[in-house]
Amino acid sequence: SQKIEQNSEALNIQEGKTATLTCNYTNYSPAYLQWYRQDPGRGPVFLLLIRENEKEKRKERLKVTFDTTLKQSLFHITASQPADSATYLCALAGWGYSTLTFGKGTMLLVSP
Amino acid sequence: DVKVTQSSRYLVKRTGEKVFLECVQDMDHENMFWYRQDPGLGLRLIYFSYDVKMKEKGDIPEGYSVSREKKERFSLILESASTNQTSMYLCASVSGLQETQYFGPGTRLLVL
Repeated sequence: SQKIEQNSEALNIQEGKTATLTCNYTNYSPAYLQWYRQDPGRGPVFLLLIRENEKEKRKERLKVTFDTTLKQSLFHITASQPADSATYLCALAGWGYSTLTFGKGTMLLVSP
Repeated sequence: DVKVTQSSRYLVKRTGEKVFLECVQDMDHENMFWYRQDPGLGLRLIYFSYDVKMKEKGDIPEGYSVSREKKERFSLILESASTNQTSMYLCASVSGLQETQYFGPGTRLLVL
């Protein structure tokens, strides 16, 4: 069955460092992959989308890579700030119109 | 800015009650979704709708039904609430031409 894995343990880093979050998937051929941010008690907010034929996407301090051979996406936040502390979800979509399948998310904690 | 609103932020109901959760979006989006989110289980799709009066089952439709009488409104119905339906319920919408899902703030439902 399709499976999306994100590190269930919280990632703790110091302010100014680069945070790297991982999303691995199996039994899936996604058309694209998205990353969302979710703050406690709130709905997820879209951050970035990367398609299966793209290797890397950037937006300000955010960078996403997508390796369909490794079946893995990496999400980087450079020069991290305490305000970046949140849970980050990856989500995959199949070909044609389809729904998104979400990973369980990884909590990021950035200490001052 | 896209706005997705949900009728309640917090709701407490008794076992056996009929519960209505409403979601309204203001961007004329064709597609709307209902998810539930539980610790350790992540976001799971309950139902979705491609158009008015259209509905499709998601991954966990049992115990739920939906209604979409108007394009902007998508309702989730718990016919007879049970304690295992205590959860955070999230609504999302997306234009048929886009891929990003816009989420509402969520309704935290407690069934006693």
